[in-house]
Amino acid sequence: DTAVSQTPKYLVTQMGNDKSIKCEQNLGHDTMYWYKQDSKKFLKIMFSYNNKELIINETVPNRFSPKSPDKAHLNLHINSLELGDSAVYFCASSQENVWSSGELFFGEGSRLTVL
Amino acid sequence: KQEVTQIPAALSVPEGENLVLNCSFTDSAIYNLQWFRQDPGKGLTSLLLIQSSQREQTSGRLNASLDKSSGRSTLYIAASQPGDSATYLCAPETGANNLFFGTGTRLTVIP
Repeated sequence: DTAVSQTPKYLVTQMGNDKSIKCEQNLGHDTMYWYKQDSKKFLKIMFSYNNKELIINETVPNRFSPKSPDKAHLNLHINSLELGDSAVYFCASSQENVWSSGELFFGEGSRLTVL
Repeated sequence: KQEVTQIPAALSVPEGENLVLNCSFTDSAIYNLQWFRQDPGKGLTSLLLIQSSQREQTSGRLNASLDKSSGRSTLYIAASQPGDSATYLCAPETGANNLFFGTGTRLTVIP
């Protein structure tokens, strides 16, 4: 069973469109994340979310919005796509403890190409 | 703001060699540090997590050390195998679910 699964794995779309990437984790974790990996392979956090709060990286445009229907899902919606949004988006989850976020488990990534 | 540097950016070794990957970070106020591997076209797999109070962690042929005060961590891989070929990333956590990733070391183990 896949612990963290994302769909779709590949997404090709036109500039200006709105798209969503779905993420589900079956680990019972209480925190989920979205990361963006750019063409230089640099990974940067976009959002972290648990049932208490959403933490947003201030550099993320408000065209990006996470939506969590329940604890096991954190979907990423992107409005008015731009060329610079082309990247691989990774979902991750972890179980927080008193010391830290805990070990992160990643999905396999969703490669978004904006034409 | 945390900055993470990994050296070398790429490394190629013959099978069987022991090797060390280096990670340095600018903000030593971390909760923990994780090492991940990323295979081409795949997600990240967590290898080791070192709490800030620990000096090292071991898992099989992997050993990670942490010197928080100097902002350094190393990942030691013993008796390297072709299956170890991947990109290795370190990520210190500075709190609030905030991991900062280096750009990784791309390792190739030649049979």
